[in-house]
Amino acid sequence: AQSVSQHNHHVILSEAASLELGCNYSYGGTVNLFWYVQYPGQHLQLLLKYFSGDPLVKGIKGFEAEFIKSKFSFNLRKPSVQWSDTAEYFCAVNQGDKIIFGKGTRLHILP
Amino acid sequence: DVKVTQSSRYLVKRTGEKVFLECVQDMDHENMFWYRQDPGLGLRLIYFSYDVKMKEKGDIPEGYSVSREKKERFSLILESASTNQTSMYLCASSFGQGYQPQHFGDGTRLSIL
Repeated sequence: AQSVSQHNHHVILSEAASLELGCNYSYGGTVNLFWYVQYPGQHLQLLLKYFSGDPLVKGIKGFEAEFIKSKFSFNLRKPSVQWSDTAEYFCAVNQGDKIIFGKGTRLHILP
Repeated sequence: DVKVTQSSRYLVKRTGEKVFLECVQDMDHENMFWYRQDPGLGLRLIYFSYDVKMKEKGDIPEGYSVSREKKERFSLILESASTNQTSMYLCASSFGQGYQPQHFGDGTRLSIL
């Protein structure tokens, strides 16, 4: 069965630092990959997604993620974070018709 | 703008009660989902529905049932609430194939005493 690992449960960075959140999935083959974000007090929203094509995917608010098939990874990156990026981030991958979520990474940006 | 509305933001119920959580979406989406979100566990799929009167079990359906009588409404039912069902419940919707949730509600924080 498919599983998703987010290695960092809690990340603390200063503003303007670069960000990389790790995400690995367990099952090969054709996959669809997603990153969701939940800002404090707000509902979950889709940040970006990969279905096929260019493995470097650009999302909203300056985020991007790179699909590396050989590493079963889909890491989320942002070159310079802002205080407003404080949120919880969830990686997700499809398993057949269902989406499996990782356990989430809480990102805290210090002003 | 798509809106997914959950009927209650906070709910407190007692063990053994039958609990109904309601969700309505206003964009004519085919797919609707119920997740629970627990600290350190992420989101876990309880049930989803891809059409009226159709439902599929997710990863943790035990103790829950669902109802989709109308396209815009997807109800989650806790048949006999237990304390281990205290959680944040999230409803979501999407259109088309692929079954990835696209729009989420604000969540219902349910406490079972």
